[in-house]
Amino acid sequence: DAGITQSPRHKVTETGTPVTLRCHQTENHRYMYWYRQDPGHGLRLIHYSYGVKDTDKGEVSDGYSVSRSKTEDFLLTLESATSSQTSVYFCAISPWEADRGRLADSYEQYFGPGTRLTVT
Amino acid sequence: AQSVTQPDIHITVSEGASLELRCNYSYGATPYLFWYVQSPGQGLQLLLKYFSGDTLVQGIKGFEAEFKRSQSSFNLRKPSVHWSDAAEYFCAVGAGTASKLTFGTGTRLQVTL
Repeated sequence: DAGITQSPRHKVTETGTPVTLRCHQTENHRYMYWYRQDPGHGLRLIHYSYGVKDTDKGEVSDGYSVSRSKTEDFLLTLESATSSQTSVYFCAISPWEADRGRLADSYEQYFGPGTRLTVT
Repeated sequence: AQSVTQPDIHITVSEGASLELRCNYSYGATPYLFWYVQSPGQGLQLLLKYFSGDTLVQGIKGFEAEFKRSQSSFNLRKPSVHWSDAAEYFCAVGAGTASKLTFGTGTRLQVTL
């Protein structure tokens, strides 16, 4: 259990309203990610974070913003939701691994349970 | 940029039969390679990982995968499938900074009794 929770787990909202999804981890990992999952597309990276206040865009970042003010929380915001943003959203973390006496990127990612968002 | 192809969208096997799910990747160097499984309504669970060493890696739930550099493949196998293995399976490649992964589009496995 990687200690990742997402809230809310389900949300229905109307087009044009702002929505914020929360990802919380208990392990203080440096890297956190937001993905969306859609049929036929697998998982696509929206944004990721490599530390407090350090974030960067993924491949499908348009219409989304993120914030990370604490190590344990990574927020995804849809400023003005559209029907094309109806999806299942997953948060993930990636731990370090020990490599010859130093910490290195492991590329292992552990996922939260997901948030199903419907924009009507 | 790296990419992952899972050519089979849907596969059906009988319980007790063997399974092979295909994954091909594109990357200039040896990448990190992963298989994940997703049961309906659940998040993704890591099955196994390869970066270096023995090209046949063992994972959880009795799965294994073989890295073949010459074919740019990392196929997932299981000798005898159980009904509980019905799920969607994703192959992923890790490369670049910040431990980012690129996922394939997934293969849905159906198991008939």
